[in-house]
Amino acid sequence: AQSVTQLGSHVSVSEGALVLLRCNYSSSVPPYLFWYVQYPNQGLQLLLKYTTGATLVKGINGFEAEFKKSETSFHLTKPSAHMSDAAEYFCAVSEGNTGKLIFGQGTTLQVKP
Amino acid sequence: DAMVIQNPRYQVTQFGKPVTLSCSQTLNHNVMYWYQQKSSQAPKLLFHYYDKDFNNEADTPDNFQSRRPNTSFCFLDIRSPGLGDAAMYLCATSRPPGGTAYNEQFFGPGTRLTVL
Repeated sequence: AQSVTQLGSHVSVSEGALVLLRCNYSSSVPPYLFWYVQYPNQGLQLLLKYTTGATLVKGINGFEAEFKKSETSFHLTKPSAHMSDAAEYFCAVSEGNTGKLIFGQGTTLQVKP
Repeated sequence: DAMVIQNPRYQVTQFGKPVTLSCSQTLNHNVMYWYQQKSSQAPKLLFHYYDKDFNNEADTPDNFQSRRPNTSFCFLDIRSPGLGDAAMYLCATSRPPGGTAYNEQFFGPGTRLTVL
């Protein structure tokens, strides 16, 4: 069965600092991986996704993630945090042919001035 | 713009009083999902429709029902809401699964349900 683990339920960075949100997955088949962002009282917005091809994936708002099969990881990074990046971030893996998403527990990103 | 719309954004109901949440989409996607999200938790899938084919998750309580009268609309009915059903309810859509680009889900803004 597929699963996702996000290391760190809360991450706090200073404005302008590097953002690193960790995600490890478990999958018996080549995974489709996603990062979603959720602002308070909003739905989930897709930041980026990995399906096949290039392992470094660029998304919206300056975020990127690298798929590392050997480490079963899909960590999310951004070189310089902005106050507007404060939100909840969810890593997810797609479950085979059903299309269902298996979510990690979420990481709350706090950005300090 | 193509999108997923949920109405209302905030819904207050009384304990035991049936409530219906609605979702509509202009993406013309075959698959529609309903999730329940409680505070500080990940979304939990309740059920989904693949066209008119209804797929219930094994642990979804019978209190939760759904209807999809056409491609564009899907409803979540809570027959007798309890205090534990207070949550954010998210609707999402996607193209059919199985292709490299098909598994992306598009989410609506959610309906926050309060049960008094």
